[in-house]
Amino acid sequence: GAVVSQHPSWVICKSGTSVKIECRSLDFQATTMFWYRQFPKQSLMLMATSNEGSKATYEQGVEKDKFLINHASLTLSTLTVTSAHPEDSSFYICSARPFNLGPSFYNSPLHFGNGTRLTVT
Amino acid sequence: SQQGEEDPQALSIQEGENATMNCSYKTSINNLQWYRQNSGRGLVHLILIRSNEREKHSGRLRVTLDTSKKSSSLLITASRAADTASYFCATDLDSSYKLIFGSGTRLLVRP
Repeated sequence: GAVVSQHPSWVICKSGTSVKIECRSLDFQATTMFWYRQFPKQSLMLMATSNEGSKATYEQGVEKDKFLINHASLTLSTLTVTSAHPEDSSFYICSARPFNLGPSFYNSPLHFGNGTRLTVT
Repeated sequence: SQQGEEDPQALSIQEGENATMNCSYKTSINNLQWYRQNSGRGLVHLILIRSNEREKHSGRLRVTLDTSKKSSSLLITASRAADTASYFCATDLDSSYKLIFGSGTRLLVRP
């Protein structure tokens, strides 16, 4: 159980275009999803927290107008990289926890999608 | 921001040997978690240890936590070639629901 599906798994786009990445929780509901970015052979950097029905919370240094996050339902969050540039090329990974865990929510693992490799040419 | 540092950055061992990875973090935590990542894939949760626990086992995995030193270790016993992956520790900052990841250890298990 607790499967997170991320789509697409890879995408190549031209500079200046926008790319949308979807993150779906398949068998649970998530009021909160997390978006991470990972450079080759490096760790995951938290970009933002996606909140269902409200605005996303961005980490310091992450441009909210560049990385648009929408969490319109309890099973879907999207990350749109707007006006992409080559420096946006990276591996983007989403994650989530089931929200109906009660007090255990804060001591439960995250479930990750398989990531999206974005290449901007 | 990055909460934890891991060492070694890379580890190469022979199949059957044990692998030990260490993680240090900076602030108080509710729990510390270990994840595994195969190349180009998402992360898989391995084990979670709460701040009031000192040791936890799961199969061939053993995790210790020393909150006074703000450090944790992951031991993989009797390693297999299939254990080759990157391993990350992650902490949820006290009173926060966000997971912040350490720098990771790349483990290579030679057959």
